[in-house]
Amino acid sequence: AQTVTQSQPEMSVQEAETVTLSCTYDTSESDYYLFWYKQPPSRQMILVIRQEAYKQQNATENRFSVNFQKAAKSFSLKISDSQLGDAAMYFCAYSANTDKLIFGTGTRLQVFP
Amino acid sequence: DTGVSQDPRHKITKRGQNVTFRCDPISEHNRLYWYRQTLGQGPEFLTYFQNEAQLEKSRLLSDRFSAERPKGSFSTLEIQRTEQGDSAMYLCASTPPGEGLAKNIQYFGAGTRLSVL
Repeated sequence: AQTVTQSQPEMSVQEAETVTLSCTYDTSESDYYLFWYKQPPSRQMILVIRQEAYKQQNATENRFSVNFQKAAKSFSLKISDSQLGDAAMYFCAYSANTDKLIFGTGTRLQVFP
Repeated sequence: DTGVSQDPRHKITKRGQNVTFRCDPISEHNRLYWYRQTLGQGPEFLTYFQNEAQLEKSRLLSDRFSAERPKGSFSTLEIQRTEQGDSAMYLCASTPPGEGLAKNIQYFGAGTRLSVL
């Protein structure tokens, strides 16, 4: 069965600094998708960034980028120039094809001014 | 585009009562998912629909749970004879056809928080 592990329950970063959130996963599939979702307090989950496993190039979205290591089954999220609005729960998620999402337990990110 | 809408936002009920939640996906999104999120955990998949067809159900979806999407638009999730362990946030997500489906981009609602006393 596929699993997603986020080993950092909480992280903190100072405004304008860079922070990296870790995620590992387990699957026997060769083709799949990986996601990072952001869940602000009492608000809906928002897609931050998405990676297709067959693409070697790491995905980037403005200040957000990933380090995708397929052999190591690692998918970390780097947030550059952190802003107060980045404070939220961040969930790493996996899906095989166009299928249900399997989430990790999340990392709570605090941003200090 | 008003986003995925879920109603109610909060529901408090007594153990043994039945509850029903509603999800309105984004217009023309033909795939709809239900997830459950307990405190300190990530969302867990419950079931999903392609139009009105329920294509997959998780083992988490016991006989007390039933979901419908009768006309391929809104969906309801009913829990019968609620138990304290059912207390959780119930999330709905939808995916558009075409490129959105190919990329499996799911748009989430704000959820319904259920508290069973």
